[in-house]
Amino acid sequence: DTAVSQTPKYLVTQMGNDKSIKCEQNLGHDTMYWYKQDSKKFLKIMFSYNNKELIINETVPNRFSPKSPDKAHLNLHINSLELGDSAVYFCASSVYSGPLSGEQYFGPGTRLTVT
Amino acid sequence: DAKTTQPNSMESNEEEPVHLPCNHSTISGTDYIHWYRQLPSQGPEYVIHGLTSNVNNRMASLAIAEDRKSSTLILHRATLRDAAVYYCILTSNAGNMLTFGGGTRLMVKP
Repeated sequence: DTAVSQTPKYLVTQMGNDKSIKCEQNLGHDTMYWYKQDSKKFLKIMFSYNNKELIINETVPNRFSPKSPDKAHLNLHINSLELGDSAVYFCASSVYSGPLSGEQYFGPGTRLTVT
Repeated sequence: DAKTTQPNSMESNEEEPVHLPCNHSTISGTDYIHWYRQLPSQGPEYVIHGLTSNVNNRMASLAIAEDRKSSTLILHRATLRDAAVYYCILTSNAGNMLTFGGGTRLMVKP
């Protein structure tokens, strides 16, 4: 069974559209994350979500909004897509929050292409 | 967050040990040292982490300098499957978000 899964794997859409990426983890973890990996391969944290508490990275535009229907799911909704949003988005989860949360499990990624 | 410095790339021969260095001279006393790797077209994969003492697991060993200003990830016998980008990351006591740098691209030659 896949520990952290994401759908879709690939997403091609036009500028201005609204899209969502879904993430599910079956590990029973309390904390989930979204990361963005740009074309230069740098991975940047976007959000952390722990037991309904959202920690927002202030560099993320408010067009990006995470939604967690329950502890096992953290979806990423993006409004008014821009060309610069093209990237690979990774979901991750961990047992703990805080300094022991460094052991995170990542999903396979969603490659978003905005045309 | 304290920063880490790693070589951009390294080469190794298959079945030989690999020592991947990481400098973190501004590390604070409560920062944990984590190592992740990312194989091509995959998400990052946790490798190992430590605080002060050396650590071993089934994937690798982590050697931490006595002053904690540097650490070394040791792959005891490199395989072709170990070809990946290896990231050395510090996590602070206050936060739970990983900050990835450029990492070291490890190439393994048969």
